[in-house]
Amino acid sequence: DAKTTQPTSMDCAEGRAANLPCNHSTISGNEYVYWYRQIHSQGPQYIIHGLKNNETNEMASLIITEDRKSSTLILPHATLRDTAVYYCIVRVPLEANSKLTFGKGITLSVRP
Amino acid sequence: DSGVTQTPKHLITATGQRVTLRCSPRSGDLSVYWYQQSLDQGLQFLIQYYNGEERAKGNILERFSAQQFPDLHSELNLSSLELGDSALYFCASSVGGRAFSYEQYFGPGTRLTVT
Repeated sequence: DAKTTQPTSMDCAEGRAANLPCNHSTISGNEYVYWYRQIHSQGPQYIIHGLKNNETNEMASLIITEDRKSSTLILPHATLRDTAVYYCIVRVPLEANSKLTFGKGITLSVRP
Repeated sequence: DSGVTQTPKHLITATGQRVTLRCSPRSGDLSVYWYQQSLDQGLQFLIQYYNGEERAKGNILERFSAQQFPDLHSELNLSSLELGDSALYFCASSVGGRAFSYEQYFGPGTRLTVT
């Protein structure tokens, strides 16, 4: 699985958009970008994934650059409950190699 | 609520002992994964089972073993426990059985404290 690089931490104001960057310059053509988050000691929670097109769901939007070497997770209206560690993971979602390799992630702090 | 259940929630035991952690996957999910999260190592993949068979192994110690039963629940057995085994243990499940396996859904975890 390709390695990802994320800032250690960032903060944003409640109600504002939180833009979380991730670099994955060695990503392969068949690797997807996944985002998970972990709210203090709870089980990680799946947020979104994408291959090359931008994706949006009820939780967030994922913007992947055209060269696929980086991506941004956008939480459009951050709330205090979005304070968590966010993990960017790249992997080929094949059943034969389904493990998730977590890095250190980025700690997002949402301030009132 | 992810639909994945884990018991017990907390476990405190002494060094040298053996414990069993239990996981019930989401209804319909055939794959079960175990992860360990400690302060110094972060979230680490231990082992995966698919429909009762071991599918992949990660950084799992020989003192640890797992199995998946016909009803698809899984157990992680930890023996000869050491202080360093104190950690959060998470179970995750996914549908599996297809060429592509996208999301994994995690349980709330079992916090193991070895004293």
